[in-house]
Amino acid sequence: NAGVTQTPKFQVLKTGQSMTLQCAQDMNHEYMSWYRQDPGMGLRLIHYSVGAGITDQGEVPNGYNVSRSTTEDFPLRLLSAAPSQTSVYFCASSYQSSTGGRTEAFFGQGTRLTVV
Amino acid sequence: AQSVAQPEDQVNVAEGNPLTVKCTYSVSGNPYLFWYVQYPNRGLQFLLKYITGDNLVKGSYGFEAEFNKSQTSFHLKKPSALVSDSALYFCAVRVPLGNTGKLIFGQGTTLQVKP
Repeated sequence: NAGVTQTPKFQVLKTGQSMTLQCAQDMNHEYMSWYRQDPGMGLRLIHYSVGAGITDQGEVPNGYNVSRSTTEDFPLRLLSAAPSQTSVYFCASSYQSSTGGRTEAFFGQGTRLTVV
Repeated sequence: AQSVAQPEDQVNVAEGNPLTVKCTYSVSGNPYLFWYVQYPNRGLQFLLKYITGDNLVKGSYGFEAEFNKSQTSFHLKKPSALVSDSALYFCAVRVPLGNTGKLIFGQGTTLQVKP
């Protein structure tokens, strides 16, 4: 059971390039989310998904796209990278508990992205 | 707007002393509250949560947190700090609005435990 796996761990992009950050979980969790972490700002939600085929925007969605074709995978696409997207990106998953509430989120190790 | 505040950017304690990392929240409805810890170059690790029940919640690594509804606080505590507790700590809140229940994080508090 690997948990939440993110690739790559590090990436440097040039302004205007596009790329996809990969996230996979093997816990059969229905909920998955992407966050970015910036100094002094905590984690901010980019996009999230409540199940395969269902995605929605979070707090800072501009410049990012997501899709959820399977329960396991939730890739994050940067359409045209900008220096403001330099950040550490975390993917997380969770599930609905038997009591009806969402469980705690399980996080990947993060992707450190630098846009030059 | 729903929010979480961690009023201290950094907390310094001596090893063996008790520690407190503060968290206050502002949400509508009954919140689900969480504490996470982040070690350098690592992802966030879950420490503990409050959903309902006893206001004092015990978690991993000897940490505990006290939910205070009247003060809208959820402070993280440990009776005796270890140098290995030095890390970045995040408080988070989830309001159970349907199935979304998005996590809202505080800005984080760096805990420095000195020998």
